[in-house]
Amino acid sequence: TQLLEQSPQFLSIQEGENLTVYCNSSSVFSSLQWYRQEPGEGPVLLVTVVTGGEVKKLKRLTFQFGDARKDSSLHITAAQPGDTGLYLCAGARGNTDKLIFGTGTRLQVFP
Amino acid sequence: DAGVIQSPRHEVTEMGQEVTLRCKPISGHDYLFWYRQTMMRGLELLIYFNNNVPIDDSGMPEDRFSAKMPNASFSTLKIQPSEPRDSAVYFCASGRGYEQYFGPGTRLTVT
Repeated sequence: TQLLEQSPQFLSIQEGENLTVYCNSSSVFSSLQWYRQEPGEGPVLLVTVVTGGEVKKLKRLTFQFGDARKDSSLHITAAQPGDTGLYLCAGARGNTDKLIFGTGTRLQVFP
Repeated sequence: DAGVIQSPRHEVTEMGQEVTLRCKPISGHDYLFWYRQTMMRGLELLIYFNNNVPIDDSGMPEDRFSAKMPNASFSTLKIQPSEPRDSAVYFCASGRGYEQYFGPGTRLTVT
């Protein structure tokens, strides 16, 4: 059973377009993270959100944690080819130290 | 400061052979995680350590897999005997608290 479902699974867009990636669950998470992974490399942490309703901005990326802490979204404004990669959400539950990773969204931005 | 170091980066072996993957975590991090990534199953947690002690190995597929952390600066993941279905990219990650930093991974191919 996959606890964290991401949508869409694949996304191909032109440079300059906006996009939103969703991360949904029926479970509550104490914190949620977003990672980006490029081919041949490990995932790189982008952001951590811990409070329901929290919004964090990282340049052109906006991350939101749902009020009930069951879902999250990542919005990219004016996408660039450098944004290409696999985006993974990951949630921590309760007092456990381990993360549950989402199914992933593979983004391709064409120049 | 160097990131997480993994070796080898690529490993090709024949079915039935023993495979040992190595990881050097970031200095000062007290958590170490081993993951496996495949297209079909995504990123799966195999085992994690806290202060060199295994905390949760529920993700280890079967007895053919074993992991050790003899000291704070080194960990191994061993597969004996290896099978073609073990082919995947294996990541080591280290961290403090819930933020994790991944190594570049070891791509394992078992023929």
